[in-house]
Amino acid sequence: NFMLTQPHSVSESPGKTVTISCTGSSGSIASNYVQWYQQRPGSAPTTVIYEDNQRPSGVPDRFSGSIDSSSNSASLTISGLKTEDEADYYCQSYDSSIYVVFGGGTKLTVL
Amino acid sequence: EVQLLESGGGLVQPGGSLRLSCAASGFTFSSYAMSWVRQAPGKGLEWVSAISGSGGSTYYADSVKGRFTISRDNSKNTLYLQMNSLRAEDTAVYYCAKDYSSSSWFVGAFDIWGQGTMVTVSS
Repeated sequence: NFMLTQPHSVSESPGKTVTISCTGSSGSIASNYVQWYQQRPGSAPTTVIYEDNQRPSGVPDRFSGSIDSSSNSASLTISGLKTEDEADYYCQSYDSSIYVVFGGGTKLTVL
Repeated sequence: EVQLLESGGGLVQPGGSLRLSCAASGFTFSSYAMSWVRQAPGKGLEWVSAISGSGGSTYYADSVKGRFTISRDNSKNTLYLQMNSLRAEDTAVYYCAKDYSSSSWFVGAFDIWGQGTMVTVSS
């Protein structure tokens, strides 16, 4: 089955830029759109990126998404880090056999 | 404002049943596929089931196939999840989530999430 692999955790200082990767196990990650969800402690997920690199209204342009076909991975980049960005981040895509697949999540610490 | 409000969670014994509801508002409910996504305590997100905007197509994760049934009532703007033969491993917060595409077909990408309802399966 298709899987998405994320680093367990990343950390960076306020004001800096951090990138979270999401690597597909097989096939081409570019074949289906990738979404990114933010989940703050004790809260429901919210969408920060859809269709690889689109931001829903209300999401600041400090959040950006990209696809790298050469490494079969997607990335979420957050610039100008703020303490409020501290959260778990999940990538997600679609697979024709198992439908929806989520990455295991990455805990972002802003310190 | 687009909103999703889940209800129906609670404590149930192994082998028991529970029906979750998700009341939608602020958008044309029948135009969007909807999903249930769960999160076990301290774990990541797991997609459970989805239904097309018309209700004519349904999709399930292997872990719940044959035990859970997704449905919707477009006249009431409400999504349901009937959960039977519940197991301890079904213990989780259950979120309903709206597809971002208005095609009414299931595309498996979400833009709006509810706040979740907790289901605990324990004797």
